[in-house]
Amino acid sequence: QKEVEQDPGPLSVPEGAIVSLNCTYSNSAFQYFMWYRQYSRKGPELLMYTYSSGNKEDGRFTAQVDKSSKYISLFIRDSQPSDSATYLCAMSAVNRGSTLGRLYFGRGTQLTVWP
Amino acid sequence: NAGVTQTPKFQVLKTGQSMTLQCAQDMNHNSMYWYRQDPGMGLRLIYYSASEGTTDKGEVPNGYNVSRLNKREFSLRLESAAPSQTSVYFCASSETGVAGELFFGEGSRLTVL
Repeated sequence: QKEVEQDPGPLSVPEGAIVSLNCTYSNSAFQYFMWYRQYSRKGPELLMYTYSSGNKEDGRFTAQVDKSSKYISLFIRDSQPSDSATYLCAMSAVNRGSTLGRLYFGRGTQLTVWP
Repeated sequence: NAGVTQTPKFQVLKTGQSMTLQCAQDMNHNSMYWYRQDPGMGLRLIYYSASEGTTDKGEVPNGYNVSRLNKREFSLRLESAAPSQTSVYFCASSETGVAGELFFGEGSRLTVL
């Protein structure tokens, strides 16, 4: 079983829709949870970063972590065509003070927002 | 500010040929990484360097070697390329003590015939 599972989609929604992207994981040691956004033929860029359980909001984006269920989500409100990209979840088991930033990535979900 | 720069951006090799992918970062980061990205497989860690002078294997190191030339540069070498190494390769860097906040280059697309 892969440590991080993510439905690859593709997911296609109309502009203005609420988008929900999800990942599940098996390693209970994961403490840091991230969402990366990757535009076509570009490198991933960090979108959201959360620690342990709870919610974090940044503009139209909300990240949720439920450690009891080993489940994380990214919500995009009022989605825009510019949100069309692949979204990768990532997780780390190391402490923030460590010199090592090794991540475990999901496969990525391809999202298209059409006007 | 260039961030993470990878060269070359595209490369076609024949089976058995060798090549080196170059990566340089200008953010004064201590840690650097090489990932490969394949359809349906996500990002997989090949090698990483937690600090200058150290390198360690990641998830899929077979067929690759790395060199941390100095704090800025981290190269990935394929000694005898195989078709299974056809992929998009990403270099990344991060600050010391910041788990997970990676800065990626734009990728190097390698095809092995």
